[in-house]
Amino acid sequence: GQNIDQPTEMTATEGAIVQINCTYQTSGFNGLFWYQQHAGEAPTFLSYNVLDGLEEKGRFSSFLSRSKGYSYLLLKELQMKDSASYLCAVLDSNYQLIWGAGTKLIIKP
Amino acid sequence: GAVVSQHPSWVICKSGTSVKIECRSLDFQATTMFWYRQFPKQSLMLMATSNEGSKATYEQGVEKDKFLINHASLTLSTLTVTSAHPEDSSFYICSAGVTPGGYNEQFFGPGTRLTVL
Repeated sequence: GQNIDQPTEMTATEGAIVQINCTYQTSGFNGLFWYQQHAGEAPTFLSYNVLDGLEEKGRFSSFLSRSKGYSYLLLKELQMKDSASYLCAVLDSNYQLIWGAGTKLIIKP
Repeated sequence: GAVVSQHPSWVICKSGTSVKIECRSLDFQATTMFWYRQFPKQSLMLMATSNEGSKATYEQGVEKDKFLINHASLTLSTLTVTSAHPEDSSFYICSAGVTPGGYNEQFFGPGTRLTVL
């Protein structure tokens, strides 16, 4: 079956750095997405990786290793507004998005 | 750009009634629209994918006669929950894709919270 694994919850301190990991096992691979979702709101797009390596976008970076079926989202200089759930999703060979359950990130002052 | 709206934002209805949710792409043409359902503290569950002018493709376990999807134009898709029951209470989210199949990137609407009494 297809599977996306990410930690259920993480806690970090304001101003610090946090890395949210995502491992996947899917039938084929056509890219990996990271979305941010605040409570009671719809997800917003953060990043899309289809090639190995690190993509940096401001305070957020996303890394992909296709051979390892692994990605991480790196958040730097954490702010209180970064408290949200972070969803990892993989596009499989049928171009269907397979969603992880999300990682709830709690930022403490 | 790439704004998607949903209406209504929230709705409360009695059991047995039907509820229609609209999803509009405001500043682009969406070749593909997706409908998701999300229960509290769970991830998104894809319900169906629809391409303009053709029938929606439903995910396994989703009743197509209960969740009617119409994608009449490149900017509008509607989801009708027919004969709603309390177990249908959920957060319904649509998203729109700008490329055929919509896979490159999905732009999400703000969601509709449905409560069935």
